[in-house]
Amino acid sequence: TQLLEQSPQFLSIQEGENLTVYCNSSSVFSSLQWYRQEPGEGPVLLVTVVTGGEVKKLKRLTFQFGDARKDSSLHITAAQPGDTGLYLCAGPAGGSQGNLIFGKGTKLSVKP
Amino acid sequence: DTGVSQDPRHKITKRGQNVTFRCDPISEHNRLYWYRQTLGQGPEFLTYFQNEAQLEKSRLLSDRFSAERPKGSFSTLEIQRTEQGDSAMYLCASGLQGGFTEAFFGQGTRLTVV
Repeated sequence: TQLLEQSPQFLSIQEGENLTVYCNSSSVFSSLQWYRQEPGEGPVLLVTVVTGGEVKKLKRLTFQFGDARKDSSLHITAAQPGDTGLYLCAGPAGGSQGNLIFGKGTKLSVKP
Repeated sequence: DTGVSQDPRHKITKRGQNVTFRCDPISEHNRLYWYRQTLGQGPEFLTYFQNEAQLEKSRLLSDRFSAERPKGSFSTLEIQRTEQGDSAMYLCASGLQGGFTEAFFGQGTRLTVV
């Protein structure tokens, strides 16, 4: 069974701090996606990483896909209150064209 | 096109009643997905359509749940004889065939079974 484990589960920091959240699996994924979800809303796609070792930057967010395509990380530089939310990683289930497996997420709170 | 639209946003129903949710995908997307999310969990796959064909269903989807996508446009998800355990956020997403299974989600329907 493919699982995605995210850590930490909760993270509370002050505005301006840097942080990294992790997404790990014992399984190889063809790609991994990161989403951000606010309370009462659906997840919003941030990025898809597809190549082992790939690094993608989205303003203050840096996403990395592990060389073995079993893990990924999200680093936020100089966090802002607007970054508050639930960060989810997801990857396609093996043998499926439409089933995304999600981790439980990291709930980030950035205090002003 | 403003994105994936779901209706209603909130639904409170009594145990044993039937409920139906609607999802309108992004118009150029031929794939449509249904997920369920409970508190403290990530979204859990229920089923997906490619055009009007339902290609995959989760083993977790009991026979009280049925989904349709007539004409490959909007989709409905019906839950019959609701149970308290069905209380959750029901998320619809759409995407394109041939991509990286990227999903563009709607705002969800929050179901509460009392």
